[in-house]
Amino acid sequence: GAVVSQHPSRVICKSGTSVKIECRSLDFQATTMFWYRQFPKQSLMLMATSNEGSKATYEQGVEKDKFLINHASLTLSTLTVTSAHPEDSSFYICSARDRGASYNSPLHFGNGTRLTVT
Amino acid sequence: QQQVKQSPQSLIVQKGGISIINCAYENTAFDYFPWYQQFPGKGPALLIAIRPDVSEKKEGRFTISFNKSAKQFSLHIMDSQPGDSATYFCAAKYAGSARQLTFGSGTQLTVLP
Repeated sequence: GAVVSQHPSRVICKSGTSVKIECRSLDFQATTMFWYRQFPKQSLMLMATSNEGSKATYEQGVEKDKFLINHASLTLSTLTVTSAHPEDSSFYICSARDRGASYNSPLHFGNGTRLTVT
Repeated sequence: QQQVKQSPQSLIVQKGGISIINCAYENTAFDYFPWYQQFPGKGPALLIAIRPDVSEKKEGRFTISFNKSAKQFSLHIMDSQPGDSATYFCAAKYAGSARQLTFGSGTQLTVLP
């Protein structure tokens, strides 16, 4: 089955530093990847849609300059949390859809990254 | 505005019992309804999905019932097991679009041994 690998699984950083999270589709190509944020015991909130070779589309209320997204290849998208603050602490999850599959094909999710900003 | 409403928020079931989680939607443009299972510290995993042209889909112990006229769909877990204890999310996707899923608020299921 299709596998989405997310790295790192956990990261602790100091306030003011930047953190990069990688999302890779291991056995398929993804022209579109999605980044979600999830607070404890809450649902997944879409942050942005990452498109290979073009700018990401951000959801309303998500700061583009704070959450930098790069989708440089068909198998890799990165999310960089810049100048992180404690309120950015959360569980970040990426997902991807096989470019060769129909639009109703399932989204494959990574295992998430637990970010803690001290 | 919450486009997919999910209930209950939490559910406790005895081993061997039936777990039922319900979702309702407003937008008739949705045409794909998946259910995801999420364990603590992990990403969601697709459990089962349904299109609105069928009223029921069964895969093993998991069944989706779909009521198009009522704009409701539900997940039934038969013979619930402690290993089923997880958070379950219903979701919906717009027709003809590769857009993202709209998720329900989640149901934390606990199956007692």
